[in-house]
Amino acid sequence: GDSVTQMEGPVTLSEEAFLTINCTYTATGYPSLFWYVQYPGEGLQLLLKATKADDKGSNKGFEATYRKETTSFHLEKGSVQVSDSAVYFCALSDSNYQLIWGAGTKLIIKP
Amino acid sequence: SQTIHQWPATLVQPVGSPLSLECTVEGTSNPNLYWYRQAAGRGLQLLFYSIGIDQISSEVPQNLSASRPQDRQFILSSKKLLLSDSGFYLCAWSVTGYEQYFGPGTRLTVT
Repeated sequence: GDSVTQMEGPVTLSEEAFLTINCTYTATGYPSLFWYVQYPGEGLQLLLKATKADDKGSNKGFEATYRKETTSFHLEKGSVQVSDSAVYFCALSDSNYQLIWGAGTKLIIKP
Repeated sequence: SQTIHQWPATLVQPVGSPLSLECTVEGTSNPNLYWYRQAAGRGLQLLFYSIGIDQISSEVPQNLSASRPQDRQFILSSKKLLLSDSGFYLCAWSVTGYEQYFGPGTRLTVT
């Protein structure tokens, strides 16, 4: 079945560092791909999405490119801030319109 | 614009007591609705989803049940809570069948 694999956390970085959180997937067909962010004690927020190969989703300085050849959707940000500390989830939409979730990656940014 | 509400925000209940969590969506019609559970420090587990009134699918056999008495209302219930029911319960909605939008969540502690 479809699945999503994220890099294990926590990921700890200093403020202004470059961020990459890896996400790879297996799927039949051509799923849409998503990144969600969850701040402590809150629900999930949609951060960005891409619906077809080579699409780049972007929001709040974060970017991710839908790479069909490597089945990846890595999340990147050029300069992280303390306020980016959160848990990040990668997900794909399956053929039944459900979301298949990665396990989440906790990001800790130190000032 | 669309908004999603969940209540209560936090709940402490003894083992064996009943449960009722409510979720309502505003600003959209005939949404798909979802209940997820998130154990501490863990990922998301889909519990139920609904594509319409009285159309509910269960993903995980357990002592929980869900109902959708109105188009934009989704209720999660239990007759007798277990310790293992503790967690963060999230409601979500979708109209495209792809991205989902989450409520603020309910923190349930079973003592």
